[in-house]
Amino acid sequence: SQKIEQNSEALNIQEGKTATLTCNYTNYSPAYLQWYRQDPGRGPVFLLLIRENEKEKRKERLKVTFDTTLKQSLFHITASQPADSATYLCALDSLDTGRRALTFGSGTRLQVQP
Amino acid sequence: DAGVIQSPRHEVTEMGQEVTLRCKPISGHDYLFWYRQTMMRGLELLIYFNNNVPIDDSGMPEDRFSAKMPNASFSTLKIQPSEPRDSAVYFCASSQGDRGYGYTFGSGTRLTVV
Repeated sequence: SQKIEQNSEALNIQEGKTATLTCNYTNYSPAYLQWYRQDPGRGPVFLLLIRENEKEKRKERLKVTFDTTLKQSLFHITASQPADSATYLCALDSLDTGRRALTFGSGTRLQVQP
Repeated sequence: DAGVIQSPRHEVTEMGQEVTLRCKPISGHDYLFWYRQTMMRGLELLIYFNNNVPIDDSGMPEDRFSAKMPNASFSTLKIQPSEPRDSAVYFCASSQGDRGYGYTFGSGTRLTVV
């Protein structure tokens, strides 16, 4: 069955360090992979999108990699700040099922300590 | 644009009552999605529309759930009769395309059925 896995344990890092979050998937052939940020009591906010033929995408302090061989995406936040503390969700569409809507992982909570 | 607008923000209702959740998507977005989020199951797609037409409702849990989109600026999700296991946060999201575009989420409706 199709599965998207994100580390359910919270990631705690010190301010200024690079945070790296992982998204693994099985039985998907995604055309796109997206990352969202969700704060408590709020809806997810779109951050970045990467296509299957792209290896890496950057936006300010954010970097996403996409390895379709390993079936994995890494999400990096450089020079992390306490304001980056939130839950980060990865999401895939699927070429297999034809469903043109995103399926979300369960998210990883990031806590940046000052 | 004010973003995706959902109402109400909170809803507490008794088991067996009808509940109607409302959503106004971003103008010009031709895709609208309804998701449900719980601690146990994360974000689950319920149904999505393209140009006001329901495309995939396979995520709707039971016949007690129904959704409509009478025009491009309004959608409703109705639960009748409601049950305690329907308690969750319901999100509406819109997008300007089916693939390759990020979703804009509303702030959600927190539904509690007692």
